[in-house]
Amino acid sequence: GNSVTQMEGPVTLSEEAFLTINCTYTATGYPSLFWYVQYPGEGLQLLLKATKADDKGSNKGFEATYRKETTSFHLEKGSVQVSDSAVYFCALSDLGNTDKLIFGTGTRLQVFP
Amino acid sequence: DTEVTQTPKHLVMGMTNKKSLKCEQHMGHRAMYWYKQKAKKPPELMFVYSYEKLSINESVPSRFSPECPNSSLLNLHLHALQPEDSALYLCASSQDRTGLTDTQYFGPGTRLTVL
Repeated sequence: GNSVTQMEGPVTLSEEAFLTINCTYTATGYPSLFWYVQYPGEGLQLLLKATKADDKGSNKGFEATYRKETTSFHLEKGSVQVSDSAVYFCALSDLGNTDKLIFGTGTRLQVFP
Repeated sequence: DTEVTQTPKHLVMGMTNKKSLKCEQHMGHRAMYWYKQKAKKPPELMFVYSYEKLSINESVPSRFSPECPNSSLLNLHLHALQPEDSALYLCASSQDRTGLTDTQYFGPGTRLTVL
């Protein structure tokens, strides 16, 4: 079945460091891919999305490219800030059942000044 | 505007209480969702409403009872809950359930504690 695998956290970085959070997926067909962010004590916010191969989603300095050949959707940011500290969830839309989002386990990012 | 609102923000209830969680969106979305999220875990889908009809029930215990009074509102009625039901309950909405690229927008959640 469809699934999403994210790197284990926490990821701990100093401010202005480069961020990569790995996400790979298993899916039949051509799912849409998403990154959601959850700040402490809050709900999920859509960070970015990509709907087809080679699409790049970007928002707030974060970006991710839909790579069909490697079944990956890695999240990157060139210079993180303390305010980026949160949990990041990679997700795909389950095309066999379009109501469902398949989430990864989440990766906690901690950025220190 | 991609806002989904949820009330209350926090709820503490006893195992014999009856309470309700409310969710509202004014984006014209026709699909609405309830998720349950335990600490340090991803959200788990509970229910999906599409065009105000229940389309998915992920084998949720009957002590959780969803209701969709109209296309903008979604309720979750709670009765005789157990302490293990304590979690963050998230509501989400999307344009409709037929689109292959529908994006789900989440509310801030209700943090429920069952004593």
